[in-house]
Amino acid sequence: ELKVEQNPLFLSMQEGKNYTIYCNYSTTSDRLYWYRQDPGKSLESLFVLLSNGAVKQEGRLMASLDTKARLSTLHITAAVHDLSATYFCAVDESRKLIWGLGTSLAVNP
Amino acid sequence: SAVISQKPSRDICQRGTSLTIQCQVDSQVTMMFWYRQQPGQSLTLIATANQGSEATYESGFVIDKFPISRPNLTFSTLTVSNMSPEDSSIYLCSVELGRVGGDSYEQYFGPGTRLTVT
Repeated sequence: ELKVEQNPLFLSMQEGKNYTIYCNYSTTSDRLYWYRQDPGKSLESLFVLLSNGAVKQEGRLMASLDTKARLSTLHITAAVHDLSATYFCAVDESRKLIWGLGTSLAVNP
Repeated sequence: SAVISQKPSRDICQRGTSLTIQCQVDSQVTMMFWYRQQPGQSLTLIATANQGSEATYESGFVIDKFPISRPNLTFSTLTVSNMSPEDSSIYLCSVELGRVGGDSYEQYFGPGTRLTVT
């Protein structure tokens, strides 16, 4: 059974700082997704990572995938308040997504 | 991408009653999914609903409690039956679409239905 672990679950950071969210998963998969959820809102797709060594960047967010280590990272560069949200990773298991618990990120001025 | 709407957006229901949630997509999709997200929690898949076949339920979810219809490629309903306060949650539908460039697929989510059972 595929299990997905995220850490940290809560992250409070100052504007301008850098930080990384980690997503570990327990069995082989060839697709990993990162989503963002604002309070009271639905989920927005951020990144789809398909292969070992994949790296994708959008603005201040960069996601990478190491399939051998079964690890994905979401790196935040020079955080701004607008990035405050909950970030989920989800791993594909036979066309179903198995979700991490989410990382609640608060960026403080 | 896809534009997905859900009705109702929220409801407060009494225990023992049932609520049907509708999910409408602006394009034809094969795979639709229903999730539950309890407050402050992650997403749990309830079932996969493919048009023309019976829904496939995940462990811990049964058709009698969560009947699903999928009458065509743009619409689905989820009913939460005989509700109890433990059913209070956000219910989300999602659809799977191929990505531009054809390298994979991803899920797009509706806005969710916030259900409170008293």
